[in-house]
Amino acid sequence: ETGVTQSPTHLIKTRGQQVTLRCSSQSGHNTVSWYQQALGQGPQFIFQYYREEENGRGNFPPRFSGLQFPNYSSELNVNALELDDSALYLCASSVTRGSTDTQYFGPGTRLTVL
Amino acid sequence: TQLLEQSPQFLSIQEGENLTVYCNSSSVFSSLQWYRQEPGEGPVLLVTVVTGGEVKKLKRLTFQFGDARKDSSLHITAAQPGDTGLYLCAGVGDSNYQLIWGAGTKLIIKP
Repeated sequence: ETGVTQSPTHLIKTRGQQVTLRCSSQSGHNTVSWYQQALGQGPQFIFQYYREEENGRGNFPPRFSGLQFPNYSSELNVNALELDDSALYLCASSVTRGSTDTQYFGPGTRLTVL
Repeated sequence: TQLLEQSPQFLSIQEGENLTVYCNSSSVFSSLQWYRQEPGEGPVLLVTVVTGGEVKKLKRLTFQFGDARKDSSLHITAAQPGDTGLYLCAGVGDSNYQLIWGAGTKLIIKP
């Protein structure tokens, strides 16, 4: 186990709804990255948070937003859900920002949008 | 746009056989990482290769970074059922905070 936890494990929503996914980072890690992994694909980078600020963003629309809290845990919020948002959402924590640092992944949240 | 292509997408072989998985790009990466992901879990880092031509070994797994740092390979010797999983390569992109991921190779080792 990596020490990174995510909740919930599974979630079913309908189109147009909003969802909040949560991630607790490994102790001592101040950076959290979020990824979307569609079935049969590799992860796609959504954004990264470093010390409560967004440190970088991938090619995702503004309805994907996030937060990082003082204890470095993080939330991913998705508004106006679309069918294509169905995927495994992964968070990864690292000691500091920068993709060269080893990232430790949580087990993911499986989101199904109907 | 930097892309990583993995091949094959799917591989099913018998226990004891050897196999190679490839990760190719037209772009140069400063480093490349290999992960293994099992169902219901997040990816777990296996190795990072940094120098062109670098070879790293992890028990029966051998990882190589191409001389031009545009491609990498993973070779497994005498595959075992415990090697079953999704193997992903990921490169450090231009932004330096974003990993560029391949689509993965789903490997099944039959007893």
